[in-house]
Amino acid sequence: SYDLTQPPSVSVSPGQTASITCSGDQLGFKYVSWYQQKPGQSPVLVIYHDSKRPSGIPERFSGSNAVNTATLTISGTQAMDEADFYCQAWDSNTVVLGGGTKLTVL
Amino acid sequence: EVQLVQSGAEVKKPGESLKISCQGSGYNFTSYWIGWVRQKPGKGLEWMGIIYPRDSDTRYSPSFQGQVTISTDTSISTAFLQWSSLKASDTAMYYCARHSVVVPPAMPSSYYYYMDVWGKGTTVTVSS
Repeated sequence: SYDLTQPPSVSVSPGQTASITCSGDQLGFKYVSWYQQKPGQSPVLVIYHDSKRPSGIPERFSGSNAVNTATLTISGTQAMDEADFYCQAWDSNTVVLGGGTKLTVL
Repeated sequence: EVQLVQSGAEVKKPGESLKISCQGSGYNFTSYWIGWVRQKPGKGLEWMGIIYPRDSDTRYSPSFQGQVTISTDTSISTAFLQWSSLKASDTAMYYCARHSVVVPPAMPSSYYYYMDVWGKGTTVTVSS
């Protein structure tokens, strides 16, 4: 089965740039989506097709994907961005989800 | 407004059966795959499977194949997740999610799915 690996936690200071990685074998040949889940809430799609933002998602969220690693970047991180983030790809007719990364805004 | 409305919290005993629901509105229900995602307390998201309401084509994660049944009733734009015999380990939050599929024109074989609309979740507690 295909695996996606994320760091368990990432910390960032307010106003700084946060980068959350997602690693998988030849991930660059797949399209990656990212979801944000705040405590007690449902997940929300923040990036799809590696780097596209759905309507309503702030421009400070961006994504990239190359070789074996996809990256979600949050520029000018705000306290409201503190959440769990999950990467996702499609492989062998199934959705594959990363284990999640807890973003802490210190 | 596109939304998915899920049924309410359930408390069941081990061995009991259960069927939870997810009703879509604001879009053509039969034109999008819809699926289920499990989240155990304090843990990450686990994808369970999807169904295409128009023809009932269903795909399951290997981890959930044979453990649950996904179905739909297009007359009421509703998807279901069903267990025939619950276990304590089924205790979790269950989210339904609309899946959109993208077929890149330059590489049709690289089609992929992502989850663009989520329900608020249904809590299932299984305890004796």
